[in-house]
Amino acid sequence: DTAVSQTPKYLVTQMGNDKSIKCEQNLGHDTMYWYKQDSKKFLKIMFSYNNKELIINETVPNRFSPKSPDKAHLNLHINSLELGDSAVYFCASSWRELNTEAFFGQGTRLTVV
Amino acid sequence: DAKTTQPNSMESNEEEPVHLPCNHSTISGTDYIHWYRQLPSQGPEYVIHGLTSNVNNRMASLAIAEDRKSSTLILHRATLRDAAVYYCIIREYGNKLVFGAGTILRVKS
Repeated sequence: DTAVSQTPKYLVTQMGNDKSIKCEQNLGHDTMYWYKQDSKKFLKIMFSYNNKELIINETVPNRFSPKSPDKAHLNLHINSLELGDSAVYFCASSWRELNTEAFFGQGTRLTVV
Repeated sequence: DAKTTQPNSMESNEEEPVHLPCNHSTISGTDYIHWYRQLPSQGPEYVIHGLTSNVNNRMASLAIAEDRKSSTLILHRATLRDAAVYYCIIREYGNKLVFGAGTILRVKS
């Protein structure tokens, strides 16, 4: 079983559209994250949820809205997509304690045309 | 911002050990040192972590300087499958894993 799964794996859409990326973890972790990796390969944290509560919200346009229906899911909604949103988005999960490892999904490659 | 400094790239021969350095001079006493790697077209993968003492696991060893301002990830016998970007991360209170630019490891056969 995949520990952290994201859907879809690829997403091609037009500017101005609204899209969602789903993430599920089956590890029982209490914390989930969204990261963005741009064309220069930098991985930037966007959001972090602990027990369904938002704890990290980096400087991200408010067109991006995370939603955590339960501890095992953290979905990312993006409104009014722009060309600059094209990137690979990674979901991850971990326990909150600092001495625990994080597990990452395989990524969703979003291309805005 | 990332609180670590790593070389941009390193090269190794297959079957030889690789030492990947990382500087983290602003680390505080309760911060953990984590290493992750990212293989091409994959998500980051946990490698190892430590606080003060050196650590070993099936993938690698982590040597931590006595003052904790630097650490070294050791791959004992590099294989072609170890070619990846290796990230040294300080995991601090607030629960962020902040990635820097990492070190691109190239392994030659």
